[in-house]
Amino acid sequence: KQEVTQIPAALSVPEGENLVLNCSFTDSAIYNLQWFRQDPGKGLTSLLLIQSSQREQTSGRLNASLDKSSGRSTLYIAASQPGDSATYLCAVTSGNTPLVFGKGTRLSVIA
Amino acid sequence: EAQVTQNPRYLITVTGKKLTVTCSQNMNHEYMSWYRQDPGLGLRQIYYSMNVEVTDKGDVPEGYKVSRKEKRNFPLILESPSPNQTSLYFCASSLLWDRQETQYFGPGTRLLVL
Repeated sequence: KQEVTQIPAALSVPEGENLVLNCSFTDSAIYNLQWFRQDPGKGLTSLLLIQSSQREQTSGRLNASLDKSSGRSTLYIAASQPGDSATYLCAVTSGNTPLVFGKGTRLSVIA
Repeated sequence: EAQVTQNPRYLITVTGKKLTVTCSQNMNHEYMSWYRQDPGLGLRQIYYSMNVEVTDKGDVPEGYKVSRKEKRNFPLILESPSPNQTSLYFCASSLLWDRQETQYFGPGTRLLVL
């Protein structure tokens, strides 16, 4: 059964720093991997979707990489801002279950 | 505006009183699903639907029912709610039952069962 782990569970950084969030999954036979953002009391917003055949995706200050063979993905956030404070969730699609989520990394960017 | 809507957003009820949480999407998506989110457990799928009249169980279906009579709506039914169903519920949809598609989430329904 697919399991997704995110490290660290929480992270606090000063504004302007570059940072990396990590995601690992146990079954490398995935179809895709998504990174989501969740603000307190709100729903999930999809940030980046990486297909299994891709190595990375970029959107603005965000860059997500995928190494399927090692079961790892990273989300790189450049020049962090207080508005980036949220919980970031990683989810993979494999087999018949469309999304298996990690428990998230709670990010705080301090002004 | 393309969106997934859920109602109600907040609900307090008592054990055993049947309730329905509605979910609607305006994007003509075929695939819809329900998740619950609990502290320490993350998001877990309850039920999903690949198209009208096609539904299937997710990881935690016990105590829940769904129906998909129309493409845009996917209600979640709790026939006899219990306190362990207190949770934050999310509805999601995507264009096709296609594993390459981005999923769009509703704003969530916070349920408290006393």
